[in-house]
Amino acid sequence: EVQLVESGGGLVQPGGSLRLSCAASGFTFNTYAMNWVRQAPGKGLEWVSLISGNGGTTFYADSVKGRFTISRDTSRNTLHLQMNSLRAEDTAVYYCARLGEENTFGSVPFDSWGQGTLVIVSS
Amino acid sequence: SYGLTQPPSVSVAPGTTARITCGGNNIGGESVHWYQQRPGQAPVLVIYYDSDRPSGIPERFSGSNSGNTATLTISRVEAEDEADYYCQVWDNSGDHYVFGTGTKVTVL
Repeated sequence: EVQLVESGGGLVQPGGSLRLSCAASGFTFNTYAMNWVRQAPGKGLEWVSLISGNGGTTFYADSVKGRFTISRDTSRNTLHLQMNSLRAEDTAVYYCARLGEENTFGSVPFDSWGQGTLVIVSS
Repeated sequence: SYGLTQPPSVSVAPGTTARITCGGNNIGGESVHWYQQRPGQAPVLVIYYDSDRPSGIPERFSGSNSGNTATLTISRVEAEDEADYYCQVWDNSGDHYVFGTGTKVTVL
């Protein structure tokens, strides 16, 4: 059974940094592209970032480009999101999500999601 | 950037049919996926590649996609179908994923 468990959320001041993690299990981690998706309170889903299975390709939403960095640790089956220069508008629940096909990305659905971790950016 | 427009809300009586649209420029040429999100829970994939249904999703859920509109149809609506629904595509031109604005389905 695929399991994704996020951690690392919390309260941080504007301009601060936070590192989110997503522990993956139940599948061959290094063959699936992974994503971060966020949801501000009472708002819709917003895709944040993707990393390919081998870590060689990354994409970012314009809203986080240059501030957030996605990475993966294959030895620990863990996905990370380093968030710097945080703003109030980054306040959201952050989900990690797996693409549903191995060794590809693009027009592929997100077939598994974690339960999310809440990030609050406030002074 | 590519935008996907959904109606904010749809209200249906139990046992009837709910149709949720997702509008986008020539969306019929894209692969559309649909997610259900119940309050306080993570999203769940209910339709992928326009009309395929993952295992465990009731046959009452179906999808179609043509022209500028993709549609998620829920037949014989049940109380448990009350949730937010989001469409999603991959935007090749920007190398990013796009979610629709979301539709809240209320079962009367």
